[in-house]
Amino acid sequence: NAGVMQNPRHLVRRRGQEARLRCSPMKGHSHVYWYRQLPEEGLKFMVYLQKENIIDESGMPKERFSAEFPKEGPSILRIQQVVRGDSAAYFCASSQSGTGVNSPLHFGNGTRLTVT
Amino acid sequence: SQQGEEDPQALSIQEGENATMNCSYKTSINNLQWYRQNSGRGLVHLILIRSNEREKHSGRLRVTLDTSKKSSSLLITASRAADTASYFCATAPYTGANSKLTFGKGITLSVRP
Repeated sequence: NAGVMQNPRHLVRRRGQEARLRCSPMKGHSHVYWYRQLPEEGLKFMVYLQKENIIDESGMPKERFSAEFPKEGPSILRIQQVVRGDSAAYFCASSQSGTGVNSPLHFGNGTRLTVT
Repeated sequence: SQQGEEDPQALSIQEGENATMNCSYKTSINNLQWYRQNSGRGLVHLILIRSNEREKHSGRLRVTLDTSKKSSSLLITASRAADTASYFCATAPYTGANSKLTFGKGITLSVRP
């Protein structure tokens, strides 16, 4: 029973390029959350999606960042025109029930984005 | 701003000792959860305690919740070197519909063999 799968594990992009981060939730989970972690920091919420819907994107920067969770396929976090400040670890988590409120979140091992 | 604030920021103990980590939060919660993160990995859920519960056990873990003080503690008994990791508390707000977990900055626990 595979857990949350994120790829790639490491991604290096030059400033101005696009970064695409993928997340396949656990089997049977239809709720996906993206978090960003900076060194020595906790996780900062970015976006919460259900299949084909964005439920809460209050943590997403207004520009350059977008997320989707299509009916088929993984959830994608897309960062356009990356800047050095985007360098961080990006974690995806999934849950079976409505939110992480009543059930634990299952995390992937993250994508470490480095912008050079 | 962070909802959960862990204390201390870092803790170093000898194998076999107990480790106590604290978390304080600001607003009403539905539940509070503790997670562990090993270096370079994702977070792993440890335990969830609901707002109407005061104490919960899971193996060597004991979690308490004091809603009047808006605080929680995680106790790891008889620690092992393998317990070395970062530990995070996360809170789920009372208004649960479509809400999300908010994490603290974490506590770095080092268990010396």
